[in-house]
Amino acid sequence: DAGVIQSPRHEVTEMGQEVTLRCKPISGHNSLFWYRQTMMRGLELLIYFNNNVPIDDSGMPEDRFSAKMPNASFSTLKIQPSEPRDSAVYFCASSFREDTQYFGPGTRLTVL
Amino acid sequence: QKEVEQNSGPLSVPEGAIASLNCTYSDRGSQSFFWYRQYSGKSPELIMFIYSNGDKEDGRFTAQLNKASQYVSLLIRDSQPSDSATYLCAVFTGTASKLTFGTGTRLQVTL
Repeated sequence: DAGVIQSPRHEVTEMGQEVTLRCKPISGHNSLFWYRQTMMRGLELLIYFNNNVPIDDSGMPEDRFSAKMPNASFSTLKIQPSEPRDSAVYFCASSFREDTQYFGPGTRLTVL
Repeated sequence: QKEVEQNSGPLSVPEGAIASLNCTYSDRGSQSFFWYRQYSGKSPELIMFIYSNGDKEDGRFTAQLNKASQYVSLLIRDSQPSDSATYLCAVFTGTASKLTFGTGTRLQVTL
């Protein structure tokens, strides 16, 4: 069974550009989570969806960040405009139970 | 006080020894507890979870939970060089419906 799928795996962009990260959760999982990981701050929850509905977006750092889940098999995290401090690894995770989460391979974002 | 605390390490153990990784948490309402392994440049991989006080064994891994002391640990028996990674402790609190991660302990298994 395929795990969580994320694309792109690496993204290099210039400050001010729009960045869109994509995630396909494990089939049958009804919760989806977006995390950001940096050396300084560790793994931080940005937002999570349950049954395609955003439940908690308190971790979204600024209005420049937005996330959508139009259906059970697809979610996007968008940063517009991007800034160098957004450079991090962004993980998507999914779960059937909210607590037992399985992570995708991540997208390494570099904003120059 | 951090919600989930781990010693950052590195914890260095010789091959074949027992590695003991520890984690404390602040929210007494926490319900479930997880250990993830993360190799450098890779994503966190779920390796153990525990819900009740006591020990839970899976192969070379044993998770231990003491809710009274707000303490959870992971023991790795017969440590192998392939166990060298960062181990993340995660705690789920139902009221917040949130999984909170520690900053991880880096384990080095030496030959």
